[in-house]
Amino acid sequence: NAGVTQTPKFRILKIGQSMTLQCTQDMNHNYMYWYRQDPGMGLKLIYYSVGAGITDKGEVPNGYNVSRSTTEDFPLRLELAAPSQTSVYFCASSRPGGRANEKLFFGSGTQLSVL
Amino acid sequence: KNEVEQSPQNLTAQEGEFITINCSYSVGISALHWLQQHPGGGIVSLFMLSSGKKKHGRLIATINIQEKHSSLHITASHPRDSAVYICAVQTSGSRLTFGEGTQLTVNP
Repeated sequence: NAGVTQTPKFRILKIGQSMTLQCTQDMNHNYMYWYRQDPGMGLKLIYYSVGAGITDKGEVPNGYNVSRSTTEDFPLRLELAAPSQTSVYFCASSRPGGRANEKLFFGSGTQLSVL
Repeated sequence: KNEVEQSPQNLTAQEGEFITINCSYSVGISALHWLQQHPGGGIVSLFMLSSGKKKHGRLIATINIQEKHSSLHITASHPRDSAVYICAVQTSGSRLTFGEGTQLTVNP
């Protein structure tokens, strides 16, 4: 299993540009998450999904959109990039339903700079 | 006040020392996670626990639900243990609230 695959690893955007961060998992996990990590701060939840066709806002959803058309994929869309969105983004997944199955699996992260 | 507080923020140890990182939280939880973030940025789940104690190799995690406190211990620390250790609490559903992390440096 590849686990959680996140692309790209690095990206520089100009203000106002848009982009999509891709996230794919091959573990048949129901739950998927997008987090951002700012320097010296804890991870903040942007959006999450409990299954295909279902998404919900997290703590910091403004400026982002998501979709979950399949169990495997959970892309994160930035429509009008702003400097405040400069951060490291992590995708994660988990499968609820049993204690051993609720561990989180993380992608390798995307370092995004908006200039 | 953050819902999840970790201490210390930074910790420097000599190889072989016993290390303790603490996590206190202020809300009711269903589980608590300990994560390790490597210098390269990757995040790995170490433990998920809802009561008692778990051990994996040189790592031990404990939780006291009544006192809303958890500790992560590392025995016989090694330079390769140098990383950021993150505590996260699971509240409603599968949503997590994260601490700010403890930067651990183990010197040879």
